[in-house]
Amino acid sequence: AQSVTQLGSHVSVSEGALVLLRCNYSSSVPPYLFWYVQYPNQGLQLLLKYTSAATLVKGINGFEAEFKKSETSFHLTKPSAHMSDAAEYFCAVTTGGFKTIFGAGTRLFVKA
Amino acid sequence: KAGVTQTPRYLIKTRGQQVTLSCSPISGHRSVSWYQQTPGQGLQFLFEYFSETQRNKGNFPGRFSGRQFSNSRSEMNVSTLELGDSALYLCASSKGLAIEYEQYFGPGTRLTVT
Repeated sequence: AQSVTQLGSHVSVSEGALVLLRCNYSSSVPPYLFWYVQYPNQGLQLLLKYTSAATLVKGINGFEAEFKKSETSFHLTKPSAHMSDAAEYFCAVTTGGFKTIFGAGTRLFVKA
Repeated sequence: KAGVTQTPRYLIKTRGQQVTLSCSPISGHRSVSWYQQTPGQGLQFLFEYFSETQRNKGNFPGRFSGRQFSNSRSEMNVSTLELGDSALYLCASSKGLAIEYEQYFGPGTRLTVT
């Protein structure tokens, strides 16, 4: 069965520093991979989506993610963190059964 | 364009009762998916409806059910509530099946079971 692992339930970075949120999926290559962001008391917002068209995917708010099949990874990065990036981030995959499976989430803290 | 709306936003129920949650998708969207979010289990897929038919279902007991109307609005029902059903219930709409189209999430309904 398809699964998603997000390494680190909490990540803390300083404003202006690199953001790196890790996501690994189980070995069978999923049709699609996603990163979502959730701000307090709000629903999820799509940051970016991998559809096999390109391994480096650019999303909104300066985020991007690289699909690495050899490492079964889809890590999310942003060169320079902003205070407004503080939120919870979810990696997700779709399965062959057309279901979306989410990782446990990583809460990002940004220090001034 | 109006976003996904969910009603009510907050709900308190007693064990054994039943509850119905409502989701109005973005205009023109034909698919609605439901998710349960809890601190312990994270985000879990409940089911997806497309053109009034349930297309996919997660691993939840039969107490959890849903339906979709001809205007794409969807309702989710939970019968015989248990304490463990306390969660944030999110619905998401998409133009077509969620596997192919971007999902837009509503703000959620926070259900507390006492």
